[in-house]
Amino acid sequence: DQQVKQNSPSLSVQEGRISILNCDYTNSMFDYFLWYKKYPAEGPTFLISISSIKDKNEDGRFTVFLNKSAKHLSLHIVPSQPGDSAVYFCAASAGFYGNKLVFGAGTILRVKS
Amino acid sequence: DTGVSQNPRHKITKRGQNVTFRCDPISEHNRLYWYRQTLGQGPEFLTYFQNEAQLEKSRLLSDRFSAERPKGSFSTLEIQRTEQGDSAMYLCASSLMGGETQYFGPGTRLLVL
Repeated sequence: DQQVKQNSPSLSVQEGRISILNCDYTNSMFDYFLWYKKYPAEGPTFLISISSIKDKNEDGRFTVFLNKSAKHLSLHIVPSQPGDSAVYFCAASAGFYGNKLVFGAGTILRVKS
Repeated sequence: DTGVSQNPRHKITKRGQNVTFRCDPISEHNRLYWYRQTLGQGPEFLTYFQNEAQLEKSRLLSDRFSAERPKGSFSTLEIQRTEQGDSAMYLCASSLMGGETQYFGPGTRLLVL
């Protein structure tokens, strides 16, 4: 069963505009959520995270929003830059499960200049 | 560079051969995780260690897979009698115990012919 879902396989955005990547989860035990960025042939790079006790976390151009009642989170990138083009993975974990990460299938973001 | 390192970066082997991968975590991190990623999917959890103790193994980890972390520092993942279905990217990540953020290495790409 897919506990973490990223329903958009790809997203194309113009440079300077906002990129919004979405993620849904089903397991209410998850208490920590992360976004990773991945380039081909490299490992995932940690981007930003949020604890379930918060509904927003911001770091520079990146903001993550968490809606616990809807079991939904989103990553906003403003302004988008061509270097942001990569695959973005949403991941969730729970201390109860030893903090092992459960990943979505990823969204390919392409930022056009 | 004090990040997570993995060796080798690439491995091509023939079906039926044994392979071993190595992961060196961030030095002060006492948790070490192994994941596997296939094309078009997010990473999937395989196993994790807290110091030298292997605390959980996924159902994905068949009897042909074994992982060790003998001194609580580096870890090895061995696959015996490789099959074509083992072809994937094998990722290692580390974190502090109680820390929710995992930092990934560059991965080892395995191709079984």
